[in-house]
Amino acid sequence: KAGVTQTPRYLIKTRGQQVTLSCSPISGHRSVSWYQQTPGQGLQFLFEYFSETQRNKGNFPGRFSGRQFSNSRSEMNVSTLELGDSALYLCASSPDRVAKKDPEAFFGQGTRLTVV
Amino acid sequence: GENVEQHPSTLSVQEGDSAVIKCTYSDSASNYFPWYKQELGKRPQLIIDIRSNVGEKKDQRIAVTLNKTAKHFSLHITETQPEDSAVYFCAASAAGNTGTASKLTFGTGTRLQVTL
Repeated sequence: KAGVTQTPRYLIKTRGQQVTLSCSPISGHRSVSWYQQTPGQGLQFLFEYFSETQRNKGNFPGRFSGRQFSNSRSEMNVSTLELGDSALYLCASSPDRVAKKDPEAFFGQGTRLTVV
Repeated sequence: GENVEQHPSTLSVQEGDSAVIKCTYSDSASNYFPWYKQELGKRPQLIIDIRSNVGEKKDQRIAVTLNKTAKHFSLHITETQPEDSAVYFCAASAAGNTGTASKLTFGTGTRLQVTL
């Protein structure tokens, strides 16, 4: 069974640009969550999508947005990039209650975004 | 919102000794508590989890205990080996509400070093 796949693995962008990251969840998982990991702030929740709807949202500015497609693949977009957006962006997929007893979240390898 | 505190931030043990990492959470609605291991440059990997209706769970050398009244949970690793060296994160989620491990709130991580 394929794991969570994130593309691209590495990105370098300039301040002010926008970026789109992609996440393909484990087959059958309908929940996709996004996290930002930085040395200073640790792992912070951005948002969660379930069946194409945003179900939960963290405390990030509106420059951070996402969406989910009918095949459960998800994209995350960051507009007007700032230096502080440099981070490892991780997505996690999780089976829902119907599919599995335990609500485990499995992470992708992440996209390393560097803003210069 | 939920706040998870994790201690210690660094832990050094000799091979064969036990290691204990402790976390506290603030939101009584949290009912799912996973632990992740993250090796340098790799994705966080789920190593064990516990739900609030269980006090203890064990998987070979790894065990997790939960005190729901005191709102704290701990990771215990026995007979540590060099390959246990990594950063360990605890997390909390109100997974029961959605059936998925969504909106995980993470602790700040513990860097475990197992020395020979």
